[in-house]
Amino acid sequence: QVQLVQSGGEVKKPGASVKVSCKTSGYSFTNYGITWVRQAPGQGLEWMGWISGYNGNANYAQKFQGRVTMTTDTSTSTAYMELRSLRSDDTAVYYCARDSNIFGAWAYWGQGTLVTVSS
Amino acid sequence: QSVLTQPPSASGTPGQRVTISCSGSTSNIRSNSVNWYQQLPGTAPKLLIYSNNQRPSGVPDRFSGSKSGTSASLAISGLQSEDEADYYCAAWDDSLNGPVFGGGTKVTVL
Repeated sequence: QVQLVQSGGEVKKPGASVKVSCKTSGYSFTNYGITWVRQAPGQGLEWMGWISGYNGNANYAQKFQGRVTMTTDTSTSTAYMELRSLRSDDTAVYYCARDSNIFGAWAYWGQGTLVTVSS
Repeated sequence: QSVLTQPPSASGTPGQRVTISCSGSTSNIRSNSVNWYQQLPGTAPKLLIYSNNQRPSGVPDRFSGSKSGTSASLAISGLQSEDEADYYCAAWDDSLNGPVFGGGTKVTVL
């Protein structure tokens, strides 16, 4: 079955960087893209960007351009999301989700990774 | 502030029908399909409705979606206690070149 398993929670200081991993299994990694979505405490969902599992092409939300980098490792079927220059308002649960044939219909999600930014 | 507008809360008694609205614009809902997600406390979102009104396998037919113009709706008929959750609408936005979400609606079963 399709599974997305994310790395564990992180505590970072303002200005630092964080890299979250999303290890996938149960499907051909190169056939689908991975989307990253975050959710601040008590808040709604926010799309961060998308990366192709086929060729690594990425499309970032304008809000995060210049601060985020999404990458993939096809040898391990793993996607990564790195966010730099962290601020306190980056404290959130970060989710990866697998794309489907219908973009935006994310049926498979990781369990989420809590990133806490605090001095 | 979310691009798509949802009421912050909705409620009903067991067995009732609850409807959640999602208001957008010509660049998102009018032009593109709407998807709905259910999020139980402390868990990842779950795809509930895709392409405006399609249910993934395993989603009860108590859940239904519709779209008209720049608005969409999610209806839950025969409300059950396990339906207590946050519900989010989402759609691609042509102007922002990415998907946008509603702010979420918390459904309470009284």
